[in-house]
Amino acid sequence: TQLLEQSPQFLSIQEGENLTVYCNSSSVFSSLQWYRQEPGEGPVLLVTVVTGGEVKKLKRLTFQFGDARKDSSLHITAAQPGDTGLYLCAGAYGNDMRFGAGTRLTVKP
Amino acid sequence: GAVVSQHPSWVICKSGTSVKIECRSLDFQATTMFWYRQFPKQSLMLMATSNEGSKATYEQGVEKDKFLINHASLTLSTLTVTSAHPEDSSFYICSAVQGAGNTIYFGEGSWLTVV
Repeated sequence: TQLLEQSPQFLSIQEGENLTVYCNSSSVFSSLQWYRQEPGEGPVLLVTVVTGGEVKKLKRLTFQFGDARKDSSLHITAAQPGDTGLYLCAGAYGNDMRFGAGTRLTVKP
Repeated sequence: GAVVSQHPSWVICKSGTSVKIECRSLDFQATTMFWYRQFPKQSLMLMATSNEGSKATYEQGVEKDKFLINHASLTLSTLTVTSAHPEDSSFYICSAVQGAGNTIYFGEGSWLTVV
């Protein structure tokens, strides 16, 4: 059951543009992960955030965990065609794990 | 990071036969593993939660008698698609939960084609 709301579900932009993907829930996460999946492959872990208000940067990607630990965002600066893929968030609720439906990003050259 | 391996990476089987897919956590123990199904250009669909030493928990609409899950050890879970039909053709992915940090690591996925 997908209890994490991810938006937008689809995003198509031009190379060089910025974008933000959101992951929201009514419940509090103990931790949250962001993954990127390319066609025909399994998702690859990008980052784990644990502390409310935490911000992590991975080159052009900036991940933020909400102060209340109910939401998170992924911001990509100056997107490149290589950023194309399915971005997934997954949240931990105690011993349970939930994930979003994913955001399919296409960056056109 | 931790490694989760799936085998086989692709398999073709005849309609009516059964096929087994393995999911192994190579460098950590996982009491919980997940199985997903993914159709082209769609997101992951959680099929079931596999718990070591106990029965799997299936998501609504997933036939437990058709998709048999066995989590025999802390490093291995298997998914058996029984009496496979062409509509079962899909990309199947597993993931494993590592440690108290509850980080999920995914396998590479297995392509199943039923002819």
